[in-house]
Amino acid sequence: AQKVTQAQTEISVVEKEDVTLDCVYETRDTTYYLFWYKQPPSGELVFLIRRNSFDEQNEISGRYSWNFQKSTSSFNFTITASQVVDSAVYFCALSDENFLGGANSKLTFGKGITLSVRP
Amino acid sequence: ETGVTQSPTHLIKTRGQQVTLRCSSQSGHNTVSWYQQALGQGPQFIFQYYREEENGRGNFPPRFSGLQFPNYSSELNVNALELDDSALYLCASSPTSGMSYEQYFGPGTRLTVT
Repeated sequence: AQKVTQAQTEISVVEKEDVTLDCVYETRDTTYYLFWYKQPPSGELVFLIRRNSFDEQNEISGRYSWNFQKSTSSFNFTITASQVVDSAVYFCALSDENFLGGANSKLTFGKGITLSVRP
Repeated sequence: ETGVTQSPTHLIKTRGQQVTLRCSSQSGHNTVSWYQQALGQGPQFIFQYYREEENGRGNFPPRFSGLQFPNYSSELNVNALELDDSALYLCASSPTSGMSYEQYFGPGTRLTVT
């Protein structure tokens, strides 16, 4: 069965510090997708990134970067020079084929990491 | 482009009652998924609808049911409400079914069961 573990529950940093959010996943499939979502206090989940299992290249988007390592089943997310607006709950999620054999896009989420960035 | 909308925003119900939550998908999206998010937890998949048919279901009892309409809007119905049903209910739409597509979430409906 698929599983996503976010061992960190709460992280607090001072503005401009770099912070890394860890994500470890489990799946028996060779084809799967990994996602990161941000949930601000308003409650709406905001899509940040999607990665497929065949693409292990790291990705950078502005202050955000992602490190995908299949060897350790990890998909970690780093925020460089954090800002107060980055304060939110961050979820890592997995979508794979092993769900009723159908082509659906069920997401399995981790429990989330609450990031607080202090001025 | 209109995003995913949900109604109502908040709802208070009594144990044993029934509730209907509504979701309007993002324009052009034919797939909608519903998730339950308990306080302090990650969202849990309830079910997905693709072109008006149920296309996968999570570990939720039959009293959780849904509908998708020809315009791809959707409803989540919960019968015989229990206290543990108190949660944020999130609707998400995607361009089509398939694990590669990112899902776009609505703001959620906060349900409180007393």
